[in-house]
Amino acid sequence: AQKITQTQPGMFVQEKEAVTLDCTYDTSDPSYGLFWYKQPSSGEMIFLIYQGSYDQQNATEGRYSLNFQKARKSANLVISASQLGDSAMYFCAMRGEDDKIIFGKGTRLHILP
Amino acid sequence: GAVVSQHPSWVICKSGTSVKIECRSLDFQATTMFWYRQFPKQSLMLMATSNEGSKATYEQGVEKDKFLINHASLTLSTLTVTSAHPEDSSFYICSAHRGRMNTEAFFGQGTRLTVV
Repeated sequence: AQKITQTQPGMFVQEKEAVTLDCTYDTSDPSYGLFWYKQPSSGEMIFLIYQGSYDQQNATEGRYSLNFQKARKSANLVISASQLGDSAMYFCAMRGEDDKIIFGKGTRLHILP
Repeated sequence: GAVVSQHPSWVICKSGTSVKIECRSLDFQATTMFWYRQFPKQSLMLMATSNEGSKATYEQGVEKDKFLINHASLTLSTLTVTSAHPEDSSFYICSAHRGRMNTEAFFGQGTRLTVV
């Protein structure tokens, strides 16, 4: 069975600091994809970054980077130079070979001014 | 702009009535769509996979007679919450994938259902 684990229910970070959100996963699929989504209070799911299991390099999208350590089955999200607008719920997710996307429990990120 | 559109964005209904939620892929055909439910301060839980032209497949513990899914065309899937009760109040969100095993997974805006 596939599983996503996010162990940080909440985090408080000072504005302009970098923040790392943890995510570990478990799957027996040889091919899979890992996602990070941001969910503000409006509820919409905002795609941040994607890492394919066969991608050799860590994914980066602007201030977001994904620290992919395949052997450890971890896919941590790093947000550089955090901003007040980064305050939201963040979900790590995995798409397996059955095409379903499953989500971790999420991390509530609070950026402090 | 939105690639997957969900309607309505919010609905309030009386106990015992049924509510239909629509999920449309706007610029691509989706043979498969997914429905999730999210309770307050919790994660998205996959409810079912909507398959165009065939029956939906439901995740364990999801009542198929309670949550009717119809995927009659390549761009539209509907979720009907039948005989709704207050415990069905939740945020429902759909998704569609434009390709396999890539980044193109799009989510609707979500529907907040309140049953009174």
